[in-house]
Amino acid sequence: AQSVTQLDSQVPVFEEAPVELRCNYSSSVSVYLFWYVQYPNQGLQLLLKYLSGSTLVKGINGFEAEFNKSQTSFHLRKPSVHISDTAEYFCAVSAGSGGGADGLTFGKGTHLIIQP
Amino acid sequence: DAGVIQSPRHEVTEMGQEVTLRCKPISGHNSLFWYRQTMMRGLELLIYFNNNVPIDDSGMPEDRFSAKMPNASFSTLKIQPSEPRDSAVYFCASSLRHSPANYGYTFGSGTRLTVV
Repeated sequence: AQSVTQLDSQVPVFEEAPVELRCNYSSSVSVYLFWYVQYPNQGLQLLLKYLSGSTLVKGINGFEAEFNKSQTSFHLRKPSVHISDTAEYFCAVSAGSGGGADGLTFGKGTHLIIQP
Repeated sequence: DAGVIQSPRHEVTEMGQEVTLRCKPISGHNSLFWYRQTMMRGLELLIYFNNNVPIDDSGMPEDRFSAKMPNASFSTLKIQPSEPRDSAVYFCASSLRHSPANYGYTFGSGTRLTVV
């Protein structure tokens, strides 16, 4: 079984400042890793994913994440945030052996608050 | 593509009543997932289907919950009888199994269920 820990429930950041949202996972098998964003009253939208290959993954809206196997981490970063980035961010993991369509396990989420 | 379509968007019902939530996955996707989101428990996988067959329903909280997928383009999640603690946002998501380019779900906008 897999598990995901998002270390910060809430992260306040000033506009145009950089941000890092932390995610650690636990798994006994190889994994796929994902970051999703949820805007108020909406469903989740895929930001980026790590399946294999390069450990630095770039996604939409200027976000990127780095897979670190030794530290079992997949932190999300953005060099300069905008007011529109205010949302809930979820890290998720699935077992790599499931053909990519087994259930994802989600973290509790991190609320990113952008301050003007 | 219209994306994953869920109905209704909002449902308010009285305790003891039957509730049916509906989902239309993306055309061509062969995996479908039902999640529940609450403040206390975050996102929980309830059940998922591959090729219309239920694969894992271990997340279904009680026998009051049931899910069906009669064909590739429609699924229902039923709660009978409903209880106030079932109040949550229920999400449906779909994906294409064994297609790495499509790994990572597409979520619907959710159904916000309130049981009074």
